[in-house]
Amino acid sequence: DAKTTQPPSMDCAEGRAANLPCNHSTISGNEYVYWYRQIHSQGPQYIIHGLKNNETNEMASLIITEDRKSSTLILPHATLRDTAVYYCIVRDSQGGKLIFGQGTELSVKP
Amino acid sequence: GAVVSQHPSRVICKSGTSVKIECRSLDFQATTMFWYRQFPKQSLMLMATSNEGSKATYEQGVEKDKFLINHASLTLSTLTVTSAHPEDSSFYICSASPTYGYTFGSGTRLTVV
Repeated sequence: DAKTTQPPSMDCAEGRAANLPCNHSTISGNEYVYWYRQIHSQGPQYIIHGLKNNETNEMASLIITEDRKSSTLILPHATLRDTAVYYCIVRDSQGGKLIFGQGTELSVKP
Repeated sequence: GAVVSQHPSRVICKSGTSVKIECRSLDFQATTMFWYRQFPKQSLMLMATSNEGSKATYEQGVEKDKFLINHASLTLSTLTVTSAHPEDSSFYICSASPTYGYTFGSGTRLTVV
């Protein structure tokens, strides 16, 4: 599975959009990009995933560059409850294990 | 949505004893489940892949005789930490895959005293 690189931490003001970047320059054609988040002392929570098209759901939007070497998770109106560690993971379409990197610790501040 | 239930959420045990952690898929069948361990301020580390009806596959460096995994049904996998020591104190998390993505349990905080 391809590796991902994320900034270790980010701050965001409450009510503003949080844009979390992820580099996955070695991603292969059949690998999806998944985003999860983990609030302190809880299990990870699924946010969104995509292959090559941009995706949006009730939680977030996922923007994948045309060459698929990077992506951005967008939380449109961050709240204090969005404070968490966000993980970007690439995984092939055949399934298999999820390997977590270090993630980005997002702090949403009032 | 798909739910994975993990029990217990917290356990304290004495050094040298064994502890069993259960992971159940509540509304779907899971032929494969995954066990992770997480130390404070660190990311999740995959320990093993649990396969229904067959032996688990352990990641490099994980002692299979210490971390016993049983996946006897399509909805239940168990992780037993045998002869626990203080260094085994950690946050243990299981996951399973319903249709797409993965659903995670809420985790088990193990403290060995």
